Amino acid sequence: SQQGEEDPQALSIQEGENATMNCSYKTSINNLQWYRQNSGRGLVHLILIRSNEREKHSGRLRVTLDTSKKSSSLLITASRAADTASYFCATDTSGNTPLVFGKGTRLSVIA
Amino acid sequence: DGGITQSPKYLFRKEGQNVTLSCEQNLNHDAMYWYRQDPGQGLRLIYYSQIVNDFQKGDIAEGYSVSREKKESFPLTVTSAQKNPTAFYLCASSQAVQETQYFGPGTRLLVL
Repeated sequence: SQQGEEDPQALSIQEGENATMNCSYKTSINNLQWYRQNSGRGLVHLILIRSNEREKHSGRLRVTLDTSKKSSSLLITASRAADTASYFCATDTSGNTPLVFGKGTRLSVIA
Repeated sequence: DGGITQSPKYLFRKEGQNVTLSCEQNLNHDAMYWYRQDPGQGLRLIYYSQIVNDFQKGDIAEGYSVSREKKESFPLTVTSAQKNPTAFYLCASSQAVQETQYFGPGTRLLVL
């Protein structure tokens, strides 16, 4: 029941650069969430954007949502080596069913 | 990882053996989940529970079983019927289904 698909699958950048990753989904949503996973650890919630919102900021994170294109992007500005992790989008759908997670983008930030 | 714990961190299973992974939360959340993650892959839902004494199958429930006798606890048993159990198992909880999930640190299951 794959709903979100992240793009690219892997991304490697230099410290200080911005990182952008995208998530596309198939059906209408109420909310879209982004999570981060450090290697060998559990996921940590980063930010939630509602379907009636277009953009949301949290520190160095900026999330956009385009419901007409069924897509979202996560921008991490001025990246740091500590941002190295996998990033997942998760969407909810109609009905009382759990969030559906994408396969993730693996971000490597090189110092 | 605060508020939700998983044990053990590593677990070894012999062929034909059932093993149980523990998941406990003190967040007073109604919903709990079990996911399987294979190397370099995303999360696949095994089982979830919206309330005590109730649970539903996820996408890959075959070879697994769960119970939800207490609000705080949602143990997962990997049965001998699961022929390829080697993976990283993540437990999560949320106030309600479709709300933000909080994850435990994970259990890595290896087969001897």
